[in-house]
Amino acid sequence: DAGITQSPRHKVTETGTPVTLRCHQTENHRYMYWYRQDPGHGLRLIHYSYGVKDTDKGEVSDGYSVSRSKTEDFLLTLESATSSQTSVYFCAISQGIGQQYFGPGTRLTVT
Amino acid sequence: KNEVEQSPQNLTAQEGEFITINCSYSVGISALHWLQQHPGGGIVSLFMLSSGKKKHGRLIATINIQEKHSSLHITASHPRDSAVYICAVPLEHRVRDDKIIFGKGTRLHILP
Repeated sequence: DAGITQSPRHKVTETGTPVTLRCHQTENHRYMYWYRQDPGHGLRLIHYSYGVKDTDKGEVSDGYSVSRSKTEDFLLTLESATSSQTSVYFCAISQGIGQQYFGPGTRLTVT
Repeated sequence: KNEVEQSPQNLTAQEGEFITINCSYSVGISALHWLQQHPGGGIVSLFMLSSGKKKHGRLIATINIQEKHSSLHITASHPRDSAVYICAVPLEHRVRDDKIIFGKGTRLHILP
């Protein structure tokens, strides 16, 4: 299995609070992704990174920001969490055009 | 507009049955992925294929690029095959990244 960890694995937070999720990889893969998964939807891309300090928006980026200061870490921040951001968040990595490897997921509940 | 459609959405079968899950897509692709998501939530890549057929144990994946269709088959199904199976297609002609469109998944439940 690819070395990908996510932290925290579970979090409950209140509306309006900031939240940061961390994805850490030990594979030295160039590309990193943040997805959210909700009932009735497939995995949806929030943001992705194609290198250190190089990031871009996905299809559901509103309300989220990301940072990648090191190859191994990709952070997802919710500046002011809302109930609509209650979801399961997955990080993934890839070398490029090809297979993506997924982290274990983070279950976030915003009350 | 769904660019990746899977069918059926849900499937319940008896242990031992032959299972087929279908995926149709409307975008141009260079390859297609099949993923498995277990009840615990973890997502595992099963296959990446760009033509023909691939086999791994009791799992077989086929793709027809011209018809924009792929199938995932499970022979001699077992309760441990119960999971959500997700079809995913990378968008072609991406320069900087490997963005993928995911189907909504097929929830498979195998009864003992």
